[in-house]
This record gives sequence, C-alpha cells and structure tokens, in this order.
Amino acid sequence: KQEVTQIPAALSVPEGENLVLNCSFTDSAIYNLQWFRQDPGKGLTSLLLIQSSQREQTSGRLNASLDKSSGRSTLYIAASQPGDSATYLCAVQAGTALIFGKGTTLSVSS
Amino acid sequence: NAGVMQNPRHLVRRRGQEARLRCSPMKGHSHVYWYRQLPEEGLKFMVYLQKENIIDESGMPKERFSAEFPKEGPSILRIQQVVRGDSAAYFCASSLVPGQGATAEAFFGQGTRLTVV
Repeated sequence: KQEVTQIPAALSVPEGENLVLNCSFTDSAIYNLQWFRQDPGKGLTSLLLIQSSQREQTSGRLNASLDKSSGRSTLYIAASQPGDSATYLCAVQAGTALIFGKGTTLSVSS
Repeated sequence: NAGVMQNPRHLVRRRGQEARLRCSPMKGHSHVYWYRQLPEEGLKFMVYLQKENIIDESGMPKERFSAEFPKEGPSILRIQQVVRGDSAAYFCASSLVPGQGATAEAFFGQGTRLTVV
C-alpha cells in the first residue's frame, strides 16, 4: 500500500531564505508526482508535476526533483517571501487516485 | 478558461439531512475525482468518474454516499442522512487524461466545506 510522508510537518523561516521540503513514498511504481499549495480555507493550486521518467521540473523560484528508486522528492523554494506562506502537499499517482502526504506548513516572516 | 468550479463553498446541514455537492470540471476535461479532507487528516480519494460512468469508487464509504457525472451538467456527490463525522472539506478535481504523463495533471476546485450540526 502506497504511503506518502512529508517532513517537516511545519517550518518557519525568515524572508529571503532558500528552503527544501521533503516528500517520501513507499512504492516506486508511480506515474507522476505532483506538488500542490493550499492556503487556509482554500483549494489546492498545482505547482509542479513530475512525470516518472523525469528527474526535475522548474517553475520560477520553485524546483522539484524526483528520485523514484529511493522514493523521494524535494521541493526547493528559492528566496522565500511572506506570500509563500501556505501548506505544501506532495501527491503521487500510481493508478486512478492521487495519494497525498499530510503536508508541510510553511511560514515565512518578513 | 474557468477552473474547476464547486458549489456551494459552504454547506450547513442538520444530522439526518441530505447534502448535495456540485462540481463542474475544467473546460475540455471529462475525468472527475472527489477527495475528502477531514480535520487534521490528509486528502483521501473517494471516487473517480467519467461522463455517465463510475470508474473507481474504492474510497467511497459503503453507505449513504453516492456520486454521479451525468451526460449534461455537473458531477454530484450526494451524502444521505448526514452525521457529524461527515463534516469535512470535499474537493473535486479534474484532468484531461488519467494515468501517466503531463495530461494527467489534476486541477482542484476551491472545495465545499460541509458542517453537520
């Protein structure tokens, strides 16, 4: 059974820091891995999708990597800003459904 | 190009009433997924539908919950005889194509927050 774990559960950093969020999954037979952002009381915004054949994807200040063999993905956020404060969710797709981690709640102080 | 639209955003029901949650997928998407987010829990898959067909309902509770995606109109998640434990945020997602590849990217709606009193 696929399980997704995100560490740390919460993270507080000052503005301007570069930071890394971690995601691990137990079964490497996945189609895709997707990173989302969720603001309090809001829906999910798709940030990046990495296909199983890819190693990384970049969008602006965000870079996500995927190592299928070790069951790990990282989301790198460069030059963090207060507007980046949110919960970041990692999800893997191995069939019909996305399997989600519980998220990392990020707080960036100015 | 409107995203995934869910309504209502907030829904309050008394125990024993029915709750109906609606979802219109992104334009051009014919694959719809429902997820539930319980307080302090992660998002859990409930059901996957295509037009007029339920493809995978492995995450749906066996009783009181049903879903449909008719040929015309939005997808509906229906909860009969609601109980306090049904209080949660219900999210709908859609994709262009399921499975592998960039076209499988899932886009989510804003969710419906159901409160059972």
